[in-house]
Amino acid sequence: GENVEQHPSTLSVQEGDSAVIKCTYSDSASNYFPWYKQELGKRPQLIIDIRSNVGEKKDQRIAVTLNKTAKHFSLHITETQPEDSAVYFCAVSLGRLYFGRGTQLTVWP
Amino acid sequence: EADIYQTPRYLVIGTGKKITLECSQTMGHDKMYWYQQDPGMELHLIHYSYGVNSTEKGDLSSESTVSRIRTEHFPLTLESARPSHTSQYLCASSFLSVSYNSPLHFGNGTRLTVT
Repeated sequence: GENVEQHPSTLSVQEGDSAVIKCTYSDSASNYFPWYKQELGKRPQLIIDIRSNVGEKKDQRIAVTLNKTAKHFSLHITETQPEDSAVYFCAVSLGRLYFGRGTQLTVWP
Repeated sequence: EADIYQTPRYLVIGTGKKITLECSQTMGHDKMYWYQQDPGMELHLIHYSYGVNSTEKGDLSSESTVSRIRTEHFPLTLESARPSHTSQYLCASSFLSVSYNSPLHFGNGTRLTVT
């Protein structure tokens, strides 16, 4: 299987600051890397994904970067807002999805 | 509207009872999954299916069973509920494709409490 490590487990930032969450994986054959956001009491929802033939992808305030050589990828959120507060999960596809353990992001107004 | 539906949303049941958690999707997805998650915590894969008559065990040992008789329906059954089964159960689905990685779509979950 795949081993996905996600850091940090908790992250607190001031509104307007940037937040970065990092994930590493073990199998170089992994080729798809989605990120999910789960607000309190709600279902996880896909916010952005990247495939192995792309190094970076951006969607408004969120971006994901992928370093295949080092086997790590990161989620970047700029100009954070209180509504960004949630648990974020990275995932890696190797036949099926393997999830990281999640990062609780809190954005203070 | 195409979506993935789980019922019931909340369930409180006594120890020893048999329960079935329902999951249906109208998105035409081939693959379906069951995850167990304590609030805000890790997602643990307990069962998945590639299509009709296909079921596989996931990473987390579970005393539950699943069936896949119809493409759109993937129920999870606990023959004898115990307090240790208290958790949230999330159903998910995705397309099956060799060449295209499809993201998961999650249902709203069933919050199970066993007393």
